[in-house]
Amino acid sequence: GESVGLHLPTLSVQEGDNSIINCAYSNSASDYFIWYKQESGKGPQFIIDIRSNMDKRQGQRVTVLLNKTVKHLSLQIAATQPGDSAVYFCAENIKRRALTFGSGTRLQVQP
Amino acid sequence: DAGVIQSPRHEVTEMGQEVTLRCKPISGHNSLFWYRQTMMRGLELLIYFNNNVPIDDSGMPEDRFSAKMPNASFSTLKIQPSEPRDSAVYFCASSSGGSVITEAFFGQGTRLTVV
Repeated sequence: GESVGLHLPTLSVQEGDNSIINCAYSNSASDYFIWYKQESGKGPQFIIDIRSNMDKRQGQRVTVLLNKTVKHLSLQIAATQPGDSAVYFCAENIKRRALTFGSGTRLQVQP
Repeated sequence: DAGVIQSPRHEVTEMGQEVTLRCKPISGHNSLFWYRQTMMRGLELLIYFNNNVPIDDSGMPEDRFSAKMPNASFSTLKIQPSEPRDSAVYFCASSSGGSVITEAFFGQGTRLTVV
């Protein structure tokens, strides 16, 4: 079936560096792609979304890039901080359906 | 707002027992979701309600699972009888999105252990 997946299960970066988390998707019919962050013991938390007709969207310290040609989504975090340590999920949404989540990437920020 | 409230936070039960998980969505939200999270299968959608009506229950594993939303402020997920393979963290989430939902607010989850 159609699904959303991730390239890297664990990413380790130094505090202050930029982080890039990648995601591959297979469903070309998705209307939106979304990034969520899950800290230990908590539920997932919305970070940013991007509509399928866009290539780039920026938020506070985060940028999401969408490459529809190769069905690839990435989340860039600028100046990574210890509080950014978490598991990051990409998700997709097709109109009138609930979110479908990928398998997640763990981001570890080294001091 | 206190956010999405789930209870209990932890539940340990014996195989064969009935388990009921509860959720109070954020006031004013018209969509409610139940997800299950395991190491092996990640976050899986179980069921999705819109305006208290089940829209998509294709993720409900089998007849042992049932979910209800009697009103806009309360939902339950019941497992009867429970099995060890049901052990997981169950999340409830709500959203005010219209036809396209991107931002869902998740509760803290209920960690279920079936022994």
